Amino acid sequence: GAGVSQSPSNKVTEKGKDVELRCDPISGHTALYWYRQRLGQGLEFLIYFQGNSAPDKSGLPSDRFSAERTGESVSTLTIQRTQQEDSAVYLCASSFRENYGYTFGSGTRLTVV
Amino acid sequence: QQPVQSPQAVILREGEDAVINCSSSKALYSVHWYRQKHGEAPVFLMILLKGGEQKGHEKISASFNEKKQQSSLYLTASQLSYSGTYFCGPSGCGAGSYQLTFGKGTKLSVIP
Repeated sequence: GAGVSQSPSNKVTEKGKDVELRCDPISGHTALYWYRQRLGQGLEFLIYFQGNSAPDKSGLPSDRFSAERTGESVSTLTIQRTQQEDSAVYLCASSFRENYGYTFGSGTRLTVV
Repeated sequence: QQPVQSPQAVILREGEDAVINCSSSKALYSVHWYRQKHGEAPVFLMILLKGGEQKGHEKISASFNEKKQQSSLYLTASQLSYSGTYFCGPSGCGAGSYQLTFGKGTKLSVIP
């Protein structure tokens, strides 16, 4: 596609439920990144993929968070047993290769109630 | 580690200039700059790939001093459209090191 697509755009979930966030990167972009942005805060790195491999998972906040990428395309970020502190905008970005400029998606706003 | 940006916020009148600084505690391979408008996703401005490199984008330019592990963003003759939060994102070099660790951002407000 022309841009990075994320779905859903908004998600309200009850505490303790699992959620899946989806990211469709720009076609041909080999690198894909996930960031979290809490209200009024900066961008917190979560994980990145080069192809289908994740060289760095160090940003994932806890073992409740996991992510995968398949076909060097779509990526899914899964949060299990959601907590209120998980409420944030989750941003996905892709780049042609590592260390090229990022194109961000519009994000998924997650609210845990 | 997260880079340090300064100032945290700045208010300009149209036509005024501003400088945003970004300092890192680790060796840098490159620095990215992004602008995020309220309620929108960050937008890529430029990347500097080697020490001493300077780039420009409209009336926005940047420099990168790898020895000092610093980068600066220069906004000249600011326009209302420049308002937003500016983030720097330094990266390392080598497999597994290219992901950006962003600073907390500098909020720029341009007023008429």
